[in-house]
Amino acid sequence: NAGVTQTPKFQVLKTGQSMTLQCAQDMNHEYMSWYRQDPGMGLRLIHYSVGAGITDQGEVPNGYNVSRSTTEDFPLRLLSAAPSQTSVYFCASSIAGTSAYEQYFGPGTRLTVT
Amino acid sequence: GQQLNQSPQSMFIQEGEDVSMNCTSSSIFNTWLWYKQDPGEGPVLLIALYKAGELTSNGRLTAQFGITRKDSFLNISASIPSDVGIYFCAGQRGGSQGNLIFGKGTKLSVKP
Repeated sequence: NAGVTQTPKFQVLKTGQSMTLQCAQDMNHEYMSWYRQDPGMGLRLIHYSVGAGITDQGEVPNGYNVSRSTTEDFPLRLLSAAPSQTSVYFCASSIAGTSAYEQYFGPGTRLTVT
Repeated sequence: GQQLNQSPQSMFIQEGEDVSMNCTSSSIFNTWLWYKQDPGEGPVLLIALYKAGELTSNGRLTAQFGITRKDSFLNISASIPSDVGIYFCAGQRGGSQGNLIFGKGTKLSVKP
């Protein structure tokens, strides 16, 4: 199993550009989520999904869209990038139920918006 | 928003020393987890705690779920150089479908 994979690993965008961060998992996990990590901060939840076709907002959803058309994939879309979105983005997945809290994280995408 | 207070923010370790860190909240959590993050990588789950008072070990790591459900601590015994990294606590409240609240982390470094 590859676990949770994220692409790209690094990305530089100009303000106003759009892009999609990819996340895939091969563990058949129902629950997937996106976090952002800023210097000196913990991880903050952006969006999450409890299964294909179901998504919901986390703590910091503004400026981001998600969709979940398959169990395996959970892309994060930045519609119009802003410098405040410069961050490291992590995707995570877990099985449903009690162990939904035992999340497995991908390696991260480091995004810089200029 | 919800906050977890994690302390200390940073600490230096010498090989062989025991290390302690803790996490507190003003709210009750149903689950506490401890993660470790190495530079350039995603967090890796170390220990998950599901019951108040629970004490769980994973090798040299021991973590406890506080009786009040508002705190947790992590101990590392006989530290080794590969223990350096950032340790995060995370908590989950009931009904939040797996959503986690993270502390700001404790950075472990080697004493110069």
